[in-house]
Order: sequence, then structure tokens, then C-alpha cells
Amino acid sequence: EAQVTQNPRYLITVTGKKLTVTCSQNMNHEYMSWYRQDPGLGLRQIYYSMNVEVTDKGDVPEGYKVSRKEKRNFPLILESPSPNQTSLYFCASSLGVGGTRNEQFFGPGTRLTVL
Amino acid sequence: AQSVTQLGSHVSVSEGALVLLRCNYSSSVPPYLFWYVQYPNQGLQLLLKYTSAATLVKGINGFEAEFKKSETSFHLTKPSAHMSDAAEYFCAVSGAAGNKLTFGGGTRVLVKP
Repeated sequence: EAQVTQNPRYLITVTGKKLTVTCSQNMNHEYMSWYRQDPGLGLRQIYYSMNVEVTDKGDVPEGYKVSRKEKRNFPLILESPSPNQTSLYFCASSLGVGGTRNEQFFGPGTRLTVL
Repeated sequence: AQSVTQLGSHVSVSEGALVLLRCNYSSSVPPYLFWYVQYPNQGLQLLLKYTSAATLVKGINGFEAEFKKSETSFHLTKPSAHMSDAAEYFCAVSGAAGNKLTFGGGTRVLVKP
């Protein structure tokens, strides 16, 4: 089954404790992206990757890191989480960029709470 | 630059009534437009997409949307709401060569029995 998986689905942590949220897709997609969803703000892009070893900042990259060492995986790293990073996070992937290649497939989400 | 505005963060409809969710976009290039649905505790799922082949686009679960260039709109409709349509709906826009999908703020639909 074609899918995007994320782990963990739920995470409660404390300020400053480094964490990683994993994302994996099995569709051989070139493009992967991380979003955060906050009430009233829709989805805001954190980082994206056009291909292996190619990453770039989205709209709200502060406090986050990513890496793309393999095509299927795109982990999101919070080196020193803070309470304002409490949010619902989605990983997504697509064939590529431009037009309908931008149709993105979403993971189930990770609800992060930073105390 | 591109942007999406969804009018109304919450919409309440009666079961069997028309569902109308409004989406207006701005884009400096011909747009590709998408509607996604998010059911409670789930990720986003594609409802339909506009690819310039036809201005009236039919999607899953009885939804459709009409692209109106003159109004820069891509409103989503369903003739008869069902309880299972209760969800949050997001409109999104992409350019022909852009690497970004820009989302609107979302509209939460409540269906009353």
C-alpha cells in the first residue's frame, strides 16, 4: 500500500530535550515536506526536500532541522524544543514539483506537546 | 507569490442541505488548485484537483469544485450534506513550476442532524 508513515504519532516532552520525528514514504517520491498545523493558521511549511541531500527552508523553519540521506526518509529534528513548537506535524511527499506533480500525500500526523 | 483565502473558518449545515465552501486564490502564474479533507485525528486526503482540463472538477464523496478565473475562485460544493462530511477542508494552490503548495486556513464543517 502506498503510504507516508510517521513516528511517533503522539509525543509529550520537556523543553530542551532533543527529539526526532521520523517520516518515510514508499512511493519513490522525489519531493518531501514537513508542515505544522495550528488552529486558524492552516498548514505552514517548515522544510522541504527536492531530492536526496537537497533541502531548503519553508515558511517557518526556526527551531527545526531536517536531513535527506535516503530518498524514502525525511526526519524532522528539534534540537532544543520549546513550548511554542507544540503543534500537529505532518510529513508529505509528492512526485516532484510543478503543477499536479505537487499533489501531496500526507502522513497521519504527529501531535507534539512540549512542556 | 501565491496565496489562498478560505472564507469562513467554521460552517454549519443541516444534513441534506447544500455544502458550499469558498476558496479564493492569488497566483502570478496559471494555478493548479487542490481541495483536501481532514477527518478527525487523521492526515489530509485529496478530494479533488484542478488541472486546467475542465473548469468543473468532480471529486470523491460527491464533492465538486468550479474554477472561475475571472473571480479567482475555486469553491467546493456538495448538493446534500451527510453526517460523515463533518471534517476540516483545506484549499491549496500551486504554480506550474513552483515547488510549493500553499494552503488556506481551513474551514471546519459541522453537520447537524
